[in-house]
Amino acid sequence: GQSLEQPSEVTAVEGAIVQINCTYQTSGFYGLSWYQQHDGGAPTFLSYNGLDGLEETGRFSSFLSRSDSYGYLLLQELQMKDSASYFCAVGLYNQGGKLIFGQGTELSVKP
Amino acid sequence: GAVVSQHPSWVICKSGTSVKIECRSLDFQATTMFWYRQFPKQSLMLMATSNEGSKATYEQGVEKDKFLINHASLTLSTLTVTSAHPEDSSFYICSAPIGYNEQFFGPGTRLTVL
Repeated sequence: GQSLEQPSEVTAVEGAIVQINCTYQTSGFYGLSWYQQHDGGAPTFLSYNGLDGLEETGRFSSFLSRSDSYGYLLLQELQMKDSASYFCAVGLYNQGGKLIFGQGTELSVKP
Repeated sequence: GAVVSQHPSWVICKSGTSVKIECRSLDFQATTMFWYRQFPKQSLMLMATSNEGSKATYEQGVEKDKFLINHASLTLSTLTVTSAHPEDSSFYICSAPIGYNEQFFGPGTRLTVL
């Protein structure tokens, strides 16, 4: 089966940098995605890594290493509004875009 | 970006009644949609894959007779929770994929069964 592991909680202060790790046990996937979900809201897409390496989108960056079965989301210049849950997910081959999600990391940004 | 809507956004019902939740792709066609359930402080659990013009594919442990899915058109999928019970109270979210790397999620439906 497939599984993705993330830390359950992370706390950081405004302006800091935080890294949320995701390790996985899966095979046959297109890439690793990251989603943000504020309390009571819907998940929104943040970033995607189809190939190994770093992808940068503004304050957010994501990294994938298939050989290490590992990825991370890096958030820079943290803002209070970044307090949310962050999920890594893998898109499985030949399953029409089906995603398997990690358990999520709750990020709390303190002043 | 693509927009997915859900209706209703919240519903309260009595135990034993059925509830229908609609998921629409507003500006694109979706041959496939996904239905998730999310309990507080937990991850999104995939319930089923809704396929336009054919039967839905249910994940292991999800009762297909309890959670009826119909994908009648390229822009609409419905989830009906039949004979709802308090343990069915949850946040139900649909999504539609764009390619293999991104899904657009609806705003979710919070179901409370009394």
